Amino acid sequence: SQTIHQWPVTLVQPVGSPLSLECTVEGTSNPNLYWYRQAAGRGLQLLFYSVGIGQISSEVPQNLSASRPQDRQFILSSKKLLLSDSGFYLCAWSSDRGYEQYFGPGTRLTVT
Amino acid sequence: GDSVTQMEGPVTLSEEAFLTINCTYTATGYPSLFWYVQYPGEGLQLLLKATKADDKGSNKGFEATYRKETTSFHLEKGSVQVSDSAVYFCALRAANDYKLSFGAGTTVTVRA
Repeated sequence: SQTIHQWPVTLVQPVGSPLSLECTVEGTSNPNLYWYRQAAGRGLQLLFYSVGIGQISSEVPQNLSASRPQDRQFILSSKKLLLSDSGFYLCAWSSDRGYEQYFGPGTRLTVT
Repeated sequence: GDSVTQMEGPVTLSEEAFLTINCTYTATGYPSLFWYVQYPGEGLQLLLKATKADDKGSNKGFEATYRKETTSFHLEKGSVQVSDSAVYFCALRAANDYKLSFGAGTTVTVRA
């Protein structure tokens, strides 16, 4: 069966510091991968998605970036965090022909 | 563009009450429709789905029917439990697209 992991689980970072969140998927190959952000009390905002290694599409221009160095690894980064980057970050995957997406447990980021 | 509108919460119910969460969508063609559930502090879990008109998705006592004529996908459960307390998201995936469009989420609290 497929599983999706995210780490860290919780992160507290000062404004202006760098960020690296990691997501890995097991039990499948060539998945589509997604990063979402969920601000407190709000819905989900798609940040990036990837249909293959090195292929990244950005949905919202901001100070975040994403990379996919390996087939089942998806990384969300920032060089300098802003207060507005605080939120719950969710990674998801879908098969290349699948309709539904499956979500990881999420990372709670607080920027202070 | 494609969009999902779901009823605003919060919704508070007593145990064994009937639950309905309304969801309507705007999309071209024939999208796939989903309900996801998010328990406190966790990622999203796929609750049920429907991929064509008149399909009924069901899981854990929840049901939703894909109504093309009313562009709706309302979620229902006949007898809720305290363990159903969560945030529920309606989502759609347009044909020939990878991305999901989410509603804002509806917070449901069930009291014993």
